[in-house]
Amino acid sequence: EAGVAQSPRYKIIEKRQSVAFWCNPISGHATLYWYQQILGQGPKLLIQFQNNGVVDDSQLPKDRFSAERLKGVDSTLKIQPAKLEDSAVYLCASSLAWGWTIYFGEGSWLTVV
Amino acid sequence: ELKVEQNPLFLSMQEGKNYTIYCNYSTTSDRLYWYRQDPGKSLESLFVLLSNGAVKQEGRLMASLDTKARLSTLHITAAVHDLSATYFCAVDTTEYGNKLVFGAGTILRVKS
Repeated sequence: EAGVAQSPRYKIIEKRQSVAFWCNPISGHATLYWYQQILGQGPKLLIQFQNNGVVDDSQLPKDRFSAERLKGVDSTLKIQPAKLEDSAVYLCASSLAWGWTIYFGEGSWLTVV
Repeated sequence: ELKVEQNPLFLSMQEGKNYTIYCNYSTTSDRLYWYRQDPGKSLESLFVLLSNGAVKQEGRLMASLDTKARLSTLHITAAVHDLSATYFCAVDTTEYGNKLVFGAGTILRVKS
């Protein structure tokens, strides 16, 4: 069974530029999550989708971050404009439904210089 | 606000020794998870604990849950070098909108 796919794996951008990350969850998984993991910290939930609807985006900095989940499958996370403190790993995860095991992708590593 | 605290944050141990990582959380939980993360890699699910008194074991790792004390432990028996990684506990609860909240992680280094 294919896992959660993410791209790009690595990205270096200058502050104030924009970046987009893509995620393809495990087939059939209704719930999709984006987490931000800053070096030395545990992952922090940015946004949670159930199918293509947003369940929780309370910790998403909406002035610069946006996310969508097209047709309840793939998802994109965009940052515009990026700040230095956005340097982190952006982890996409999926589960069959809330309460089921959550599977994480390899992550997209962002460095803002 | 749901808080999840792990200790120790860093653990250096000799091969063959036993040790325990502790995870405290601030509210009732529906599920408690333990994950492993190798450097540059994603998170691997180790255990999901659902109820008070739950105990799960896989190889040299054993996880337990005491919901009354709001405490989970991850016990390492006779450590080997391959267990070197960062271990996270995470809690989710309907009380906080079904959000999975992670601890800061415990960096484990097993020395030969």
